[in-house]
Amino acid sequence: AQKITQTQPGMFVQEKEAVTLDCTYDTSDPSYGLFWYKQPSSGEMIFLIYQGSYDQQNATEGRYSLNFQKARKSANLVISASQLGDSAMYFCAMRERLHGSSNTGKLIFGQGTTLQVKP
Amino acid sequence: ETGVTQTPRHLVMGMTNKKSLKCEQHLGHNAMYWYKQSAKKPLELMFVYSLEERVENNSVPSRFSPECPNSSHLFLHLHTLQPEDSALYLCASSPGTGTNVPGNTIYFGEGSWLTVV
Repeated sequence: AQKITQTQPGMFVQEKEAVTLDCTYDTSDPSYGLFWYKQPSSGEMIFLIYQGSYDQQNATEGRYSLNFQKARKSANLVISASQLGDSAMYFCAMRERLHGSSNTGKLIFGQGTTLQVKP
Repeated sequence: ETGVTQTPRHLVMGMTNKKSLKCEQHLGHNAMYWYKQSAKKPLELMFVYSLEERVENNSVPSRFSPECPNSSHLFLHLHTLQPEDSALYLCASSPGTGTNVPGNTIYFGEGSWLTVV
């Protein structure tokens, strides 16, 4: 079963507008972390934002915010005031415990969403 | 500029060659990772090292051989690869490997683009 699902292979947004990238996840572990990464065409994976499963408030980092709905197991990324430089692939990822381990986590990625910002 | 540096950025090798990918992190982290990113597939975790000890080997073929001589350096030795091994190989590091710790964010390098001919 897929652990991380990103249902939007590609998205377009007009410059200066906001955009929401969807992510749903599946885990039975109460302790997990959710991440969003940006990958430009150069290949580097750039960390954007983190949300812990026990966090009460939604995470925010500058123009990025995470809409965390625990009961629905969703962790959507909201990018406000889109810029041309935001055009990239975006990955949602979940860190959960390795099987048989109490403290070692591994990061599982979704398929990614390609975002294109139009001028 | 990323705190995780990978060399070479691009590598083309024949199926009978032996080559190595190198990763160095300047962040003082204790854990390092190798991930493989193939076209149209999610990133796949290959290896995890914590304090120079391998804690995860995710069913990776033996033609990929990792080495972690210290907590700042990680190598991926490649030999007798197949064309389907062509991919982007990403190195990453984190302060530790604990799951629900905000500080254990995984930071990636720029990747090494590998083509096997």
